[in-house]
Amino acid sequence: GEDVEQSLFLSVREGDSSVINCTYTDSSSTYLYWYKQEPGAGLQLLTYIFSNMDMKQDQRLTVLLNKKDKHLSLRIADTQTGDSAIYFCAERTAGRRALTFGSGTRLQVQP
Amino acid sequence: EPEVTQTPSHQVTQMGQEVILRCVPISNHLYFYWYRQILGQKVEFLVSFYNNEISEKSEIFDDQFSVERPDGSNFTLKIRSTKLEDSAMYFCASKTASTQETQYFGPGTRLLVL
Repeated sequence: GEDVEQSLFLSVREGDSSVINCTYTDSSSTYLYWYKQEPGAGLQLLTYIFSNMDMKQDQRLTVLLNKKDKHLSLRIADTQTGDSAIYFCAERTAGRRALTFGSGTRLQVQP
Repeated sequence: EPEVTQTPSHQVTQMGQEVILRCVPISNHLYFYWYRQILGQKVEFLVSFYNNEISEKSEIFDDQFSVERPDGSNFTLKIRSTKLEDSAMYFCASKTASTQETQYFGPGTRLLVL
């Protein structure tokens, strides 16, 4: 079945860029997502990318997709303390409803 | 901004008891979902619901689970006879249309089965 893997923890200094990586196994993944979860809150969709795209930029967020290596990354420019949260990578195959999530990467931003 | 709400935020129950977790999706949304996250594990899909019927379910969603949209606003997940391993955070989500990618998640209900 589908599997999505992420590293568990990333620590950066305020103002630096953060890069959170994700790998997935399902070659028929059509949509790939990044969600953010702050303490006590639900999952907030940050951005998503179609599998026929290589890159998507949205303000401080840049998503890169390497479909050949099944690798997805999220870059946060000028990371702020408010960006501290858990970031989940997820994928969905066309025709299916379910999202398959990674374990989440806890981003800690140090002042 | 409209949001998905879930009640209760925390529930403690005895093994074997029935629990009902409640969700109020965003009002014009048509697709509804339940996910769960066991502590320390991944968020897992349970079920999706559209047009008053289940459209997809995972292996986790066995006969102990059921979903219902009893009125125009609520979407519920019932666990008939809870087991210790049902302890998890349960997330409800909704979205407007099949062509729309954003699933909006609620804050979750933390269920503890003793």
